Amino acid sequence: KAGVTQTPRYLIKTRGQQVTLSCSPISGHRSVSWYQQTPGQGLQFLFEYFSETQRNKGNFPGRFSGRQFSNSRSEMNVSTLELGDSALYLCASSSYDTQYFGPGTRLTVL
Amino acid sequence: QQQVKQSPQSLIVQKGGIPIINCAYENTAFDYFPWYQQFPGKGPALLIAIRPDVSEKKEGRFTISFNKSAKQFSLHIMDSQPGDSATYFCAASERNAGNMLTFGGGTRLMVKP
Repeated sequence: KAGVTQTPRYLIKTRGQQVTLSCSPISGHRSVSWYQQTPGQGLQFLFEYFSETQRNKGNFPGRFSGRQFSNSRSEMNVSTLELGDSALYLCASSSYDTQYFGPGTRLTVL
Repeated sequence: QQQVKQSPQSLIVQKGGIPIINCAYENTAFDYFPWYQQFPGKGPALLIAIRPDVSEKKEGRFTISFNKSAKQFSLHIMDSQPGDSATYFCAASERNAGNMLTFGGGTRLMVKP
């Protein structure tokens, strides 16, 4: 099976802009989770979607949002970007307990 | 609040050595404990995982030891190789919390030839 794919791989934005990241899960996986990875805070859970419904949400401000489509593909959106949003954003799709991560989208906010 | 504490932050061993990475957790509701390996520029990849009903699990050169009473678990890498040089993360999740993983801070391992 093909792995988790994320697009774009790299993104540069300026403060105040918004950004949308995309994730295509492994075929057959209905759960998609998003994580933010930074050198200072490590890997932090953003949210999880299962069958188009948000099932869990981490401790991030409302500027971070997501959605999942009927084909299980997911997008996350960050509005009003701040410098501190610069990070690697990872998507993971799940089969039961096991989460398979994509390569991530590297977001740089200038 | 850091619910999973990982140590050490970095580790250097010689080829063939057995690096040991430790994690401690606070939340007694955690019931699934995976370890991930991450290479630069890549996403984390699952290495091995354990549930609290067993005290040890081996997969190839990787072994997890689990101590439920102490709320600690560790990763041992047997016969380590330079190709094992990577960052390792422990994680934990609750059965009733979907697939939300709480990660440790990571350990950067270097295996010298």
